[in-house]
Amino acid sequence: QMQLRQSGPGLVKPSETLSLICTVAGGSISSSSYYWGWIRQSPGKGLEWIGSVYYRGTTYYNPSLKSRVTVSADTSRNQFSLKLISVTAADTAVYYCARHRGAAFDPWGQGTLVAVSS
Amino acid sequence: EILMTQSPATLSVSPGERATLSCRASQNIYSSVAWYQQKPGQAPRLLIYGASTRATGVPARFSGSGSGTDFTLTISSLQSEDFAVYSCQQYHDWLITFGQGTRLEIK
Repeated sequence: QMQLRQSGPGLVKPSETLSLICTVAGGSISSSSYYWGWIRQSPGKGLEWIGSVYYRGTTYYNPSLKSRVTVSADTSRNQFSLKLISVTAADTAVYYCARHRGAAFDPWGQGTLVAVSS
Repeated sequence: EILMTQSPATLSVSPGERATLSCRASQNIYSSVAWYQQKPGQAPRLLIYGASTRATGVPARFSGSGSGTDFTLTISSLQSEDFAVYSCQQYHDWLITFGQGTRLEIK
């Protein structure tokens, strides 16, 4: 059974870069047909898609975050990552990674609460 | 951006009864809709994709319907473990958005 395990800091200073890694176990990110994505959930709010990557490097981003986001895949480590630059308090959220194909994110990582604070 | 509007925001239902949750898209998204269940402190769990296909391991009491702009998630006979927040999500031309969620609470 595939599992996605997230890692990365839970505290980032304003104006700095948020970096998270999602390691895939029980399957390969090089599988065709699937993308690998990041979603976040601000406290008490709904889910927001951030961006997704195909193992060959094709990426798609939420237009509202596109100027600050990079999602990339590392097939040698079976991982994919998220970088969000110039963070502010508005970026404080629980960040999730997930595999997806079309309108179906499954499975999900355990979630990482990232607070933006000095 | 395609907006997904869920109603009601909160739904109070007694165990054993039926729950009907709605999701409306701001434009035609055909059948590109998924439904998720989320419990406190947990990641969302995929229930339904393609508007009406149950994900692996999802009980048969969960069903999805609709196409175009109006979609429904129905839970036929509520169990105690079903009380949670439910969110819809659409995929259209790589513009992925989620609804704000419906909180299903015990009446």
